[in-house]
Amino acid sequence: DAGITQSPRHKVTETGTPVTLRCHQTENHRYMYWYRQDPGHGLRLIHYSYGVKDTDKGEVSDGYSVSRSKTEDFLLTLESATSSQTSVYFCAISLAGTSTDTQYFGPGTRLTVL
Amino acid sequence: QQQVKQSPQSLIVQKGGISIINCAYENTAFDYFPWYQQFPGKGPALLIAIRPDVSEKKEGRFTISFNKSAKQFSLHIMDSQPGDSATYFCAARGEAAGNKLTFGGGTRVLVKP
Repeated sequence: DAGITQSPRHKVTETGTPVTLRCHQTENHRYMYWYRQDPGHGLRLIHYSYGVKDTDKGEVSDGYSVSRSKTEDFLLTLESATSSQTSVYFCAISLAGTSTDTQYFGPGTRLTVL
Repeated sequence: QQQVKQSPQSLIVQKGGISIINCAYENTAFDYFPWYQQFPGKGPALLIAIRPDVSEKKEGRFTISFNKSAKQFSLHIMDSQPGDSATYFCAARGEAAGNKLTFGGGTRVLVKP
């Protein structure tokens, strides 16, 4: 998985609780991304980062925030989890962020919000 | 709004047969079209990719066919093997779109021995 780890790998939480997912890379890639994967929707971009403390919104950013204080770590926070945020979350990295640059994906985090 | 539409959602093919997955896009700013393969419990991995200045790209048993005027592209898996059983995603990316990947909904392929 291209030097990408995600933690936790599985989490069950209750509606209204805050949740933070962590993505850690050892590749020193500049670009990092958070996606969610739901049946029939493929993967949808939540937020991405193009450098330390530089982030931007993706397609489905409502209810999520991110932070990147170090090159290697990209955190995704659900301030108040809802059942609609039950999903599998993937982190991805890329070196240059250009249109032909490959994105490498982590192993995913399965989140269940009860 | 799904800018990349993928079909079929699932398909079953016999070993040795051909698997065909189709994708259509709307945004003419897309200029790079990768396909990802995903096995259960794993993250997607890049399989093959194409730029719209070519109509076909082949890597081993995997071929992308691209029709720019129709805004469609497809993945062909020749001589399908049980190990090809996975979910396949098409995607599109363009610098004008902020270099962000837009994915199709995915196709679950099952190759029967």
